[in-house]
Amino acid sequence: DAKTTQPPSMDCAEGRAANLPCNHSTISGNEYVYWYRQIHSQGPQYIIHGLKNNETNEMASLIITEDRKSSTLILPHATLRDTAVYYCIVSPTGSARQLTFGSGTQLTVLP
Amino acid sequence: DTEVTQTPKHLVMGMTNKKSLKCEQHMGHRAMYWYKQKAKKPPELMFVYSYEKLSINESVPSRFSPECPNSSLLNLHLHALQPEDSALYLCASSPSSSRLNYGYTFGSGTRLTVV
Repeated sequence: DAKTTQPPSMDCAEGRAANLPCNHSTISGNEYVYWYRQIHSQGPQYIIHGLKNNETNEMASLIITEDRKSSTLILPHATLRDTAVYYCIVSPTGSARQLTFGSGTQLTVLP
Repeated sequence: DTEVTQTPKHLVMGMTNKKSLKCEQHMGHRAMYWYKQKAKKPPELMFVYSYEKLSINESVPSRFSPECPNSSLLNLHLHALQPEDSALYLCASSPSSSRLNYGYTFGSGTRLTVV
């Protein structure tokens, strides 16, 4: 399975953009990049996913580099409620073994 | 309905007890999952059900017994657990375990304490 590397923690000022990096240098050609977040003591929440192109939805934007070896999740206007652990996950190829969570990034949004 | 509902939210059980965790979804999803999460650790996959059949068992001890009575329900039967089994147990569902371009929907979990 492709693995991901994320910084263990990041801070962001409320109202500013939060940019969360993820390295997935061993990603295979047909593997997607998923982002989830987990607010304390709740279940993980799906944010966004992508294959090659940049993606945007109502929650966030996902920027994937051209070589697909890294990506960045962007929360355009972070709020205190965005404080959570953010997981970058690469899906395995041809397997029903889906989401394998790495250590994630603890994002703390500061007032 | 876009939720995965897990009951109970909290459970305390003795090492000789038998209990069950319940998970329910009405989104028509055909794949359901059990994850275990220890404090300050990421969730770890335990079981995958696809079309009501067990497709993945991640070498989980037999004291954990999953059951999928129908496409909307997933149970986890617990028997003779150890204190180290105390954790947050998360259920999730997705349209299909083989369709990679959809996100999972997770429940809020059951906080299990084994005494």
